[in-house]
Amino acid sequence: NAGVTQTPKFQVLKTGQSMTLQCAQDMNHEYMSWYRQDPGMGLRLIHYSVGAGITDQGEVPNGYNVSRSTTEDFPLRLLSAAPSQTSVYFCASSYSYSTEAFFGQGTRLTVV
Amino acid sequence: GQQVMQIPQYQHVQEGEDFTTYCNSSTTLSNIQWYKQRPGGHPVFLIQLVKSGEVKKQKRLTFQFGEAKKNSSLHITATQTTDVGTYFCAGRDNAGKSTFGDGTTLTVKP
Repeated sequence: NAGVTQTPKFQVLKTGQSMTLQCAQDMNHEYMSWYRQDPGMGLRLIHYSVGAGITDQGEVPNGYNVSRSTTEDFPLRLLSAAPSQTSVYFCASSYSYSTEAFFGQGTRLTVV
Repeated sequence: GQQVMQIPQYQHVQEGEDFTTYCNSSTTLSNIQWYKQRPGGHPVFLIQLVKSGEVKKQKRLTFQFGEAKKNSSLHITATQTTDVGTYFCAGRDNAGKSTFGDGTTLTVKP
C-alpha cells in the first residue's frame, strides 16, 4: 500500500518556468490538499479538493492551479515560477475533511 | 480569518525531562489534530480531539482539548531522543477549514 506518492522529490526551476507537481493516492480518499512549508513555519494550505471535479482555494493560492479529474490524482501546477515559491510542498489526503490526513514525502522546490 | 498560535517555537530539553507545547485558536474549533514531523520528513498524524475538555493518552503523550474548544496542549513525559521533531497542531473551524500552527521544534539532549 503506497499511500500518498509525490513526484518529483527535488526540483530546481528557473524564474518564469512552469511545472507540475504530481500527487497520487491509492486509499480512495475523497479529500486531497496541497500545502507549502517554509523554514520555521507551519503548513499553509494552497488548494484543496473534496472530490473529483471539485477544487477550492486555500490560504495561499496565488501562482498555483489545481485540477481533480480522478479520485486518485491531484496535480499542482506552477504557472510561472518565482523565487518566492521556493519551498517544500506536501500533498495530503484523507477519507473526509474531518479525519486524519496522510501526507506524501514532499517535493523540495528551488526557484532561481 | 482563523489564526492558530503555537508556543513555544523551540524547546530544548535534557533526556528524561518533560515537554509541553500549547496551541491557541482565535476561534472556536470543531476539532483539533496533532502531527509530528521528524527532521527532513513529512507530518505524521498523532491524534484528533473533538469533545470539549477531552483528554487522550498515547503512552508518554497526553493530549488535552480545552473546555472552550479554543486551545489544546500536548505533554510528553520523560522525553526520549526518539521524541525529537516538530509538533504541529491543526485546528478545524466549523466551516471545515483547517489551519496549522507554526509548530514547536523539540530537541532532546542525551
